[in-house]
Amino acid sequence: DTGVSQDPRHKITKRGQNVTFRCDPISEHNRLYWYRQTLGQGPEFLTYFQNEAQLEKSRLLSDRFSAERPKGSFSTLEIQRTEQGDSAMYLCASSLATIYEQYFGPGTRLTVT
Amino acid sequence: GQSLEQPSEVTAVEGAIVQINCTYQTSGFYGLSWYQQHDGGAPTFLSYNALDGLEETGRFSSFLSRSDSYGYLLLQELQMKDSASYFCAVNPARDDKIIFGKGTRLHILP
Repeated sequence: DTGVSQDPRHKITKRGQNVTFRCDPISEHNRLYWYRQTLGQGPEFLTYFQNEAQLEKSRLLSDRFSAERPKGSFSTLEIQRTEQGDSAMYLCASSLATIYEQYFGPGTRLTVT
Repeated sequence: GQSLEQPSEVTAVEGAIVQINCTYQTSGFYGLSWYQQHDGGAPTFLSYNALDGLEETGRFSSFLSRSDSYGYLLLQELQMKDSASYFCAVNPARDDKIIFGKGTRLHILP
């Protein structure tokens, strides 16, 4: 059990560019979640998968955001045409049997200039 | 709508006991969980309550009152390493997402 990993850990991009983040969950975990966190706030739910099926996407998420989890293993989160307001920490978490006990990765810090 | 309220900051002395409260208003309720996050770190799961009452895990305990839409996290024998942010989180349904509060930053004085 190597824990949840995320790549890259930091990303600096110019406004208007597209970015893609990767999350590798704990290997036997079938549920995978994406969150966004800004300074002084709690993690904000973005979307979640059970195996390869995307079960819910936050209404706060614009059409510029898309996530995939092919084959129910790793997941990618893509942000198109980035805006300065997208600057945040993007966290991935996974869980096995429960919704409430989630294991978080170290996050990807995105800075949009 | 969904809302969780918790104090933004709490200060306590090393060795003391501190309670962090959480009240919630959600469209449904299945359980309340607590997470700890150190600066620069990832949130880590601490405890979960689905039923009324107290759950104890070492120095940490968590309480839930479903009728009052209220819970708290109790930290005993505070240590400097407990300085962190603590988040309460609700899952509105059994197999739904969890919704996090804004967090309480705990400062511990020597």
